[in-house]
Amino acid sequence: SQTIHQWPATLVQPVGSPLSLECTVEGTSNPNLYWYRQAAGRGLQLLFYSVGIGQISSEVPQNLSASRPQDRQFILSSKKLLLSDSGFYLCAWSQGYTEAFFGQGTRLTVV
Amino acid sequence: ILNVEQSPQSLHVQEGDSTNFTCSFPSSNFYALHWYRWETAKSPEALFVMTLNGDEKKKGRISATLNTKEGYSYLYIKGSQPEDSATYLCASRGFEGAQKLVFGQGTRLTINP
Repeated sequence: SQTIHQWPATLVQPVGSPLSLECTVEGTSNPNLYWYRQAAGRGLQLLFYSVGIGQISSEVPQNLSASRPQDRQFILSSKKLLLSDSGFYLCAWSQGYTEAFFGQGTRLTVV
Repeated sequence: ILNVEQSPQSLHVQEGDSTNFTCSFPSSNFYALHWYRWETAKSPEALFVMTLNGDEKKKGRISATLNTKEGYSYLYIKGSQPEDSATYLCASRGFEGAQKLVFGQGTRLTINP
């Protein structure tokens, strides 16, 4: 069966520090991969999605970047965090255009 | 641009009552409509994936309808129970760029016992 792992679960980082959130999927190949953010009181905002290794589509101009170095690995990064980067980040995968399956999320607080 | 809108943003319903909420999406660029339930301290989980105009899907006391011509979907909950309390999210895939899954803001449902 397929599983998705996302870590860390919580993170407190100072302004200006770098960020790396990792997401891996098991039990499937060539998944579509997604990074979403939920800011306080809002829905899920699509940040990045990827349909294959090295293929990244960015949805929102911002302080973040994403990479897909392996088929089932998706990484969200920042060189210098801003206060506005605080939020709840979710990784998800889908097989083709079917339903999405989500990781447990990372609560990021930038202080 | 694929904008997905949900209403209302929040809803309080008495236990036993039925309720419904709305998701609207661009009808001119449609491939599929998803509904998810997001319970506190858990990950969002898919309820339905719908693609055909007029489609209606049901899972227990929850059902959903789809109108692709006018660009809306309704989610219905019959006889609400406390365990139905959650945020309900809809998401749309456009015909152009169906890999992209765009979510609405969600409807936060609270069932009062």
